[in-house]
Amino acid sequence: DGGITQSPKYLFRKEGQNVTLSCEQNLNHDAMYWYRQDPGQGLRLIYYSQIVNDFQKGDIAEGYSVSREKKESFPLTVTSAQKNPTAFYLCASTLRTGVGNQPQHFGDGTRLSIL
Amino acid sequence: GESVGLHLPTLSVQEGDNSIINCAYSNSASDYFIWYKQESGKGPQFIIDIRSNMDKRQGQRVTVLLNKTVKHLSLQIAATQPGDSAVYFCAENGEGTASKLTFGTGTRLQVTL
Repeated sequence: DGGITQSPKYLFRKEGQNVTLSCEQNLNHDAMYWYRQDPGQGLRLIYYSQIVNDFQKGDIAEGYSVSREKKESFPLTVTSAQKNPTAFYLCASTLRTGVGNQPQHFGDGTRLSIL
Repeated sequence: GESVGLHLPTLSVQEGDNSIINCAYSNSASDYFIWYKQESGKGPQFIIDIRSNMDKRQGQRVTVLLNKTVKHLSLQIAATQPGDSAVYFCAENGEGTASKLTFGTGTRLQVTL
């Protein structure tokens, strides 16, 4: 089945440690996104990529980094510079077309906690 | 499962009744809107979308209404079922480029038996 796979489902980070969250899609979608979700808040955009080898900062990029070496993969690294990393992280993708917006489709998230 | 919103507005509806979830969007330049459903511990699931050249769109048991004059979006769910219990988010495309979306904070729908 086509879809978006995020792993791991749960992740624990020690102080001063970088961790990487995986996001893989087999939908042949062009654009991919990373969001952070905190209780009582809407999804906030961290980074997005519209094409391989290119990505842009979202609204809350500080303390995070990404890469887009392959169309199907968009890993997110939560660095030690991110002082409040505990959150639910969601990856999404969408097909870019010439006829306007298309809905974003989401994975089932990674819950990151601090040890 | 994880809580996606501890202090969200909550709508309680009896099974079989119709539900109406409202959303006020912020950007008058937005021309594309989406409703998502999120169950505990899962990612948002696409329900229905609407473009600004329409004011109503229907799906299976769901209808989205768009009022651009007052920047208001609503999701109507007919014959609400226990499986409809979830958090519902609206999203707008805001800047209108790069398929970026701005999400509302969500409404929790509780279906009572």
